[in-house]
Amino acid sequence: EVQLVQSGAEVKKPGQSLKISCKASGYSFTSYWLGWVRQMPGKGLEWMGIIFPSDSDARYSPSFEGQVTISVDKSINTAYLQWSSLRASDSGIYYCAVVGYCSGGTCLHDAFDTWGQGTMVSVSS
Amino acid sequence: QSALTQPASVSGSPGQSITISCTGSSSDVGSYNLVSWYQQYPGKAPRLMIYEVSKWPSGVSDRFSGSKSGNTASLTISRLQAEDEADYYCCSYAGTSTYVFGTGTKVTVL
Repeated sequence: EVQLVQSGAEVKKPGQSLKISCKASGYSFTSYWLGWVRQMPGKGLEWMGIIFPSDSDARYSPSFEGQVTISVDKSINTAYLQWSSLRASDSGIYYCAVVGYCSGGTCLHDAFDTWGQGTMVSVSS
Repeated sequence: QSALTQPASVSGSPGQSITISCTGSSSDVGSYNLVSWYQQYPGKAPRLMIYEVSKWPSGVSDRFSGSKSGNTASLTISRLQAEDEADYYCCSYAGTSTYVFGTGTKVTVL
């Protein structure tokens, strides 16, 4: 079973750094892109960026370029989303999701199939 | 890269059909048959309902159907049921491994 398990909720102060994780299991971690999606309180989904774990090729939404860093550790099938200096506007729920998963001869091209349970990040002074 | 435009809300009575539009541009929806749709209940992670404009992932009811014309994609929910009350988001591939989500639509079953 394909599964993404994200790290727990975080409460931080503005200016602090943070790294949240997304641990994958049940599939070939290095074969599929993995994306991150933000959902601010009461708002919609926003695509943040995506990474190909095999070579750590990362792409970012212009809205998030330079604001966050997406990385992976292939040895433990885990992807990360990190901030060097949080702002209150970074508060929200962050989801990771596998992109374009193939199973039984069917590939869900460029669709976010399996999602993590989400990590809530609260930033407040 | 602007968010795709969806109506804020759509409602319908049980048994009826409703359609949610998703308008993008020639850089995303209009250029690729790679529009997907997601259902999200409050406090839950999104769930993939449609991919590649009109295909169903395993386990998704065929009451959900997708289509596209030009820069606008659409999701139709037929034979509306109470359990369909949720938020729905479209998403389009936008080239060079980038994506853009829609603004989201709240579906209310009257």
